[in-house]
Amino acid sequence: EAGVAQSPRYKIIEKRQSVAFWCNPISGHATLYWYQQILGQGPKLLIQFQNNGVVDDSQLPKDRFSAERLKGVDSTLKIQPAKLEDSAVYLCASSLAAGQPQHFGDGTRLSIL
Amino acid sequence: AQSVTQPDIHITVSEGASLELRCNYSYGATPYLFWYVQSPGQGLQLLLKYFSGDTLVQGIKGFEAEFKRSQSSFNLRKPSVHWSDAAEYFCAVGPSGNTGKLIFGQGTTLQVKP
Repeated sequence: EAGVAQSPRYKIIEKRQSVAFWCNPISGHATLYWYQQILGQGPKLLIQFQNNGVVDDSQLPKDRFSAERLKGVDSTLKIQPAKLEDSAVYLCASSLAAGQPQHFGDGTRLSIL
Repeated sequence: AQSVTQPDIHITVSEGASLELRCNYSYGATPYLFWYVQSPGQGLQLLLKYFSGDTLVQGIKGFEAEFKRSQSSFNLRKPSVHWSDAAEYFCAVGPSGNTGKLIFGQGTTLQVKP
């Protein structure tokens, strides 16, 4: 089966600019997750979707980050405006259902200048 | 609060030697436990998981892990390390509820000497 697809793989922007990441989960996976992985740390959950509804966005900085999964399949994560501390790898994962093993994409590495 | 501690940030072993990566967790109920591996520039790949039952679980690539409730540990082991095992390893704990949220440790980087 095809894995979780993410694009772009790399992005370099200046602070205060905006950026968007895209994720296509494994077909049939109802649950989708966005994680932020800062260098030297483990991934931290930003937001979890169940189909097109948000289950957990408690650690999403909502003043600058937004995410959507309008049709319950693909998802986009946006940052506007970006700050230096947003430099990280943004990982998308999906699972058949919440609590089931998560399958990860290769991530988008974001660098803020 | 739920947390995961991986005490060893960096470990170096010789090829062919045995490996044990430590993981300790703090969780109020019976946890779901996972080990993931991440190669440079790639996402995380699931090595193995523990939900319930037999406390010794087998995973892919010859890895195994043992759940010890009394020690709040879930250590990862491999009897003979290969050079291709060099990567970063993450332990994670999940709630037994239906949110699916995982809490990750900070990771252990494994270096393999020839």
